[in-house]
Amino acid sequence: QVQLQESGPGLVKPSQTLSLTCAVSGDSISSGSYYWNWIRQPAGKGLEWIGRISSSGSTNYNPSLKSRVNISVDTSKSQFSLKLSSLTAADTAVYYCARLNSAYEFDYWGQGTLVTVSS
Amino acid sequence: QSVLTQPPSASGTPGQRVTISCSGSSSNIGSNTVNWYQQLPGTAPKLLIYSNNQRPSGVPDRFSGSKSGTSASLAISGLQSEDEADYYCAAWDDSLWSGVFGGGTKLTVL
Repeated sequence: QVQLQESGPGLVKPSQTLSLTCAVSGDSISSGSYYWNWIRQPAGKGLEWIGRISSSGSTNYNPSLKSRVNISVDTSKSQFSLKLSSLTAADTAVYYCARLNSAYEFDYWGQGTLVTVSS
Repeated sequence: QSVLTQPPSASGTPGQRVTISCSGSSSNIGSNTVNWYQQLPGTAPKLLIYSNNQRPSGVPDRFSGSKSGTSASLAISGLQSEDEADYYCAAWDDSLWSGVFGGGTKLTVL
């Protein structure tokens, strides 16, 4: 069974950079069949796709966040990471990591981690 | 403003049939498959329908999906109280080269 687990600070100050990591177990992150994604959800609002990375390091980002986002992968540790810079209160959300399969389905999700941007 | 358009709310009584619509464009729904996700309160979304109309193992056949042109629909028949959740449609967008979601529909079982 594939499992994804997010980790990182729950509170970050405005203008700083958010760093989150998603640990993948039960499947090889090196498999070329999947993309590894970050998705966020502000309280009471809908889902927003942030970006994705392949095991080879190829990335795609949401155009609205592209200038502030960096996603990287560490296959040796079976994990991938998100960095989001120049934070504002609008970045406060639950951040999920998820696996995207070859049919463009997010088939496995982490439980999500709440990140609050506040001084 | 979400790229895919869903009604913000829907409701029905137990046993009824409810449909939720999802409207997009030629660059997303019109050229790619649609998936639906169910999000129960306080939990992560779960894949409910994939490839427009396929159900993952374990999803009851009360749930069905369809797609026509640049729109898609999720139907839930024999509505049950445990179906009360938020439902999201999603697709890949070839113009934005990004994943896109609908704004979500909150289903209330009266």
